[in-house]
Amino acid sequence: EADIYQTPRYLVIGTGKKITLECSQTMGHDKMYWYQQDPGMELHLIHYSYGVNSTEKGDLSSESTVSRIRTEHFPLTLESARPSHTSQYLCASSVAGRVYNEQFFGPGTRLTVL
Amino acid sequence: GQNIDQPTEMTATEGAIVQINCTYQTSGFNGLFWYQQHAGEAPTFLSYNVLDGLEEKGRFSSFLSRSKGYSYLLLKELQMKDSASYLCAVGSGTYKYIFGTGTRLKVLA
Repeated sequence: EADIYQTPRYLVIGTGKKITLECSQTMGHDKMYWYQQDPGMELHLIHYSYGVNSTEKGDLSSESTVSRIRTEHFPLTLESARPSHTSQYLCASSVAGRVYNEQFFGPGTRLTVL
Repeated sequence: GQNIDQPTEMTATEGAIVQINCTYQTSGFNGLFWYQQHAGEAPTFLSYNVLDGLEEKGRFSSFLSRSKGYSYLLLKELQMKDSASYLCAVGSGTYKYIFGTGTRLKVLA
């Protein structure tokens, strides 16, 4: 069973606020990812990391930042929330080794920006 | 560009067999994944194909043809709990996965 956690599960916040979405995994995975998913739509990669102090931007990263100070922790920060940020945010992790491995997903954070 | 196509929705009857197709055009290819996602939940891994052919895992099988850019997920002996979205994803480029929009499967009694 995958051990990857996200908090908060649900968040309603006003425009302009700074928010941090938390993601932690206890599997010792080197690779971690943040995705954004709207209902009925594909997952869009926001950021990914292949180890401590290594992060890369995905397709939708311009309005958010991440950090990877510890292997198990990969928080996502929105500096100034906007209604367009309303979405589901999914964190995932995978082992190193092969270039591609199955991803284990957290339960998600459903964000609403008013 | 990079593109993954799946049918939006499919309906099948409990106990039947259903095949969900996925075609892809990506700049790189390092394997194809299938995930199951129940409504409001996170995706969970079902299968991975990197070589041509069929991979079988219990009631679920996945097929890949790299020359055709084509895969399918075969679900046998459908159960009500199989009602979910099925996501096709391709490993393309360094550490990057491209996801399709998913196929919403409804299993009817």
